[in-house]
Amino acid sequence: SYELSQPLSVSVAPGQTARIPCGGNNIGFKNVHWYQQEPGQAPVLVIYRDDVRPSGVPERFSASNSGNTATLTISSAQAGDEADYYCQVWDTTTGSVVFGGGTRLTVL
Amino acid sequence: QVQLQESGPGLVTPSETLSLTCTVSGGSMTTYYWSWIRQPPGKGLEWIGYIYYNGNTNYYYNPSLKSRVTISVDTSNNQFSLNLSSVTAADTAVYYCARAVTSGTTNFDHWGQGTLVTVSS
Repeated sequence: SYELSQPLSVSVAPGQTARIPCGGNNIGFKNVHWYQQEPGQAPVLVIYRDDVRPSGVPERFSASNSGNTATLTISSAQAGDEADYYCQVWDTTTGSVVFGGGTRLTVL
Repeated sequence: QVQLQESGPGLVTPSETLSLTCTVSGGSMTTYYWSWIRQPPGKGLEWIGYIYYNGNTNYYYNPSLKSRVTISVDTSNNQFSLNLSSVTAADTAVYYCARAVTSGTTNFDHWGQGTLVTVSS
């Protein structure tokens, strides 16, 4: 089955740029989606189809996808960005949705 | 704005069947898939499966749960449901319902708030 790997945690200083990687075999050939989950809340879609922001998501959130790594980038990080971030793809081989293990972003 | 709300028992006995319902409001169920996703305490997200608004044979399940899962839809009441049989403590999780957008890929653009289901005697 297809697997997505994410680091358990990423730290960034306020105002700096955070980059959260999501690794997968030839992930560049898949559409990657990203979710933000604040503590005690449901996940929220922040990027879909590799690099598209849903309405209402700040421009500080961007993403890219190439080769074996997709990356979520959060510029000018704020305390309010502290959350868990999950990448997700659709695996055509198994006909199933796959989530990465999630990355805890800390802004300090 | 589409809203989803889960409902069902918060406590299920081991070996029994977990049953949850998701009520959709603020929009039509047509042309979308409707999904269940769960999250064990302190862990990551796990997709359970989803079903097309017209039910029939248009559904997909997580292969690891397929033998125990049934998802059904009732568009007349704007609801869809999850049945998970033969539950164990490992099925304890927050269960989310979500709207799935499928067009060559799948993502989830609207989520319910989630409901905690504990499996315990």
